[in-house]
Amino acid sequence: ETGVTQTPRHLVMGMTNKKSLKCEQHLGHNAMYWYKQSAKKPLELMFVYNFKEQTENNSVPSRFSPECPNSSHLFLHLHTLQPEDSALYLCASSQDRDQNTGELFFGEGSRLTVL
Amino acid sequence: GQNIDQPTEMTATEGAIVQINCTYQTSGFNGLFWYQQHAGEAPTFLSYNVLDGLEEKGRFSSFLSRSKGYSYLLLKELQMKDSASYLCAVTESNYQLIWGAGTKLIIKP
Repeated sequence: ETGVTQTPRHLVMGMTNKKSLKCEQHLGHNAMYWYKQSAKKPLELMFVYNFKEQTENNSVPSRFSPECPNSSHLFLHLHTLQPEDSALYLCASSQDRDQNTGELFFGEGSRLTVL
Repeated sequence: GQNIDQPTEMTATEGAIVQINCTYQTSGFNGLFWYQQHAGEAPTFLSYNVLDGLEEKGRFSSFLSRSKGYSYLLLKELQMKDSASYLCAVTESNYQLIWGAGTKLIIKP
């Protein structure tokens, strides 16, 4: 069983749809993250949760809504997205929010295409 | 401002050595990471440097010079499976992680 699991791996949706991405980590970590990865661009941090509390929201549009019901699960709810939101969405976890010495463990990502 | 620069793409030959450079300008420094990402897969941790010098781990080594804002990842005895993107990331003084755009490494037989 992989450490960080994301579903679905691929998602195609229209601009008026509502969908959700799911992430689950089996590593006993306390911090979880959502990143956006677009081709030839740096990873963009979207949201950070530490001990189930949201600690960062990097100016992400409200059409992206995170949810963290417990320290093992993280969701990203999507609604009325735009074509430019098409990207790979990566979930990651670390022992705690202090990224100084804590490496990140990534899931394989959810490839999102918005039509 | 914050900036991390690394080459977009590099090509090397199987069995050879390749050095991938990373330069950074950040608000403080608390360490530098290298990650490997194969196409369609998750990024995976390769190395972490917080002090100046060379850290060796098997065929991979990572070097850091804090005064120059510079790091490199050295891959020896290249194998076809080393074809991947290599991501450089720096932890700033507020523990925010700043990422480079990644270097796509192509290994040819």
